[in-house]
Amino acid sequence: AQKVTQAQTEISVVEKEDVTLDCVYETRDTTYYLFWYKQPPSGELVFLIRRNSFDEQNEISGRYSWNFQKSTSSFNFTITASQVVDSAVYFCALSVYQAGTALIFGKGTTLSVSS
Amino acid sequence: DGGITQSPKYLFRKEGQNVTLSCEQNLNHDAMYWYRQDPGQGLRLIYYSQIVNDFQKGDIAEGYSVSREKKESFPLTVTSAQKNPTAFYLCASSIRFFSGNTIYFGEGSWLTVV
Repeated sequence: AQKVTQAQTEISVVEKEDVTLDCVYETRDTTYYLFWYKQPPSGELVFLIRRNSFDEQNEISGRYSWNFQKSTSSFNFTITASQVVDSAVYFCALSVYQAGTALIFGKGTTLSVSS
Repeated sequence: DGGITQSPKYLFRKEGQNVTLSCEQNLNHDAMYWYRQDPGQGLRLIYYSQIVNDFQKGDIAEGYSVSREKKESFPLTVTSAQKNPTAFYLCASSIRFFSGNTIYFGEGSWLTVV
């Protein structure tokens, strides 16, 4: 069975702090994809990144970075120098080759950034 | 602009009534999906469609129905059989039904049963 765990339900930080959102996944498939989405208060899920199981390179996009470690089945997301606009719910998700595109979501982490 | 349009944004339904949520996409995507979101529960898959005139049940299909008569449209009907329909509903699409493809989401519809 596949599962995604986001152990942090809520995180509160002050602007300019760095923050890491944790994501741990479970699957026996060797081919799978991991995703992060951002859900601002408006409700729409915004795609942030996709990573396949054969590519363990970390990725940086502006203030966002992702650390993928197969050894610990983790795909953590770090926001550097957080801003108020980063306040949102962040979801980690998994899709496995056997199940097509259907995403399995974690329960999300609510990030609050105060000024 | 290309994207996924859901309507209405807010909907109130009386108990015992069926209600249909609209989802239209102009991305030329083959696959479409409906997810339900409850507080603290993450997103759960209701139905998905890999191609026109085809659809499959997801994890929580009971009390819901869908149709896929056109490539761009995937309406969701919440029937009176759905015991707890109050939730946030998200429609999504991807270019193909393949695990490597990114799924893109609409802005969602809030359904409240009164």
